[in-house]
Amino acid sequence: EAGVAQSPRYKIIEKRQSVAFWCNPISGHATLYWYQQILGQGPKLLIQFQNNGVVDDSQLPKDRFSAERLKGVDSTLKIQPAKLEDSAVYLCASSLNNQNTEAFFGQGTRLTVV
Amino acid sequence: GQSLEQPSEVTAVEGAIVQINCTYQTSGFYGLSWYQQHDGGAPTFLSYNALDGLEETGRFSSFLSRSDSYGYLLLQELQMKDSASYFCAVTDNQGGKLIFGQGTELSVKP
Repeated sequence: EAGVAQSPRYKIIEKRQSVAFWCNPISGHATLYWYQQILGQGPKLLIQFQNNGVVDDSQLPKDRFSAERLKGVDSTLKIQPAKLEDSAVYLCASSLNNQNTEAFFGQGTRLTVV
Repeated sequence: GQSLEQPSEVTAVEGAIVQINCTYQTSGFYGLSWYQQHDGGAPTFLSYNALDGLEETGRFSSFLSRSDSYGYLLLQELQMKDSASYFCAVTDNQGGKLIFGQGTELSVKP
């Protein structure tokens, strides 16, 4: 089966610019996660969707970050405006349901803000 | 909220056995997972425990004690390719949030 697809793989932007990341989960997976991973740290959950509803977005900086999962399939994560501290890898993952026996990760988008 | 504690780094030699511990605090607990991540790669699933006891999958085993809020990953017959970061992750029972620890960097030496 096809894995979790993410694009772009790499992005370099200047601070105060905007950027968007796209994720297509594994077909049939109801749960979709966006994580931010700063070098040397564990993945930090930004937002979790169950179908097209939000399960948790408590760690999402809502003044600059937004995410949507229209139709409960693919998802976009946007940052506007970007700050230097947003430089990180943004990982998308999906699982069959929210009991999470196994989450599958995409290759991530490495964002550099200069 | 949730918090997870695991050692930041562990070093072992090829062929040895290593245990990576994880303690967690969570308002509601559903299960404990382990993931492996090589440099520049994506996390990949290793194991999942929802009930107390040991789960074995090849060279890797994972243990959970719900009463102690504690688990560990046991890696046997270490190989150089096992050098990676290992993360424990908690699934809570309030919506099924999946929260990761800070990771343990395992270095396997010849």
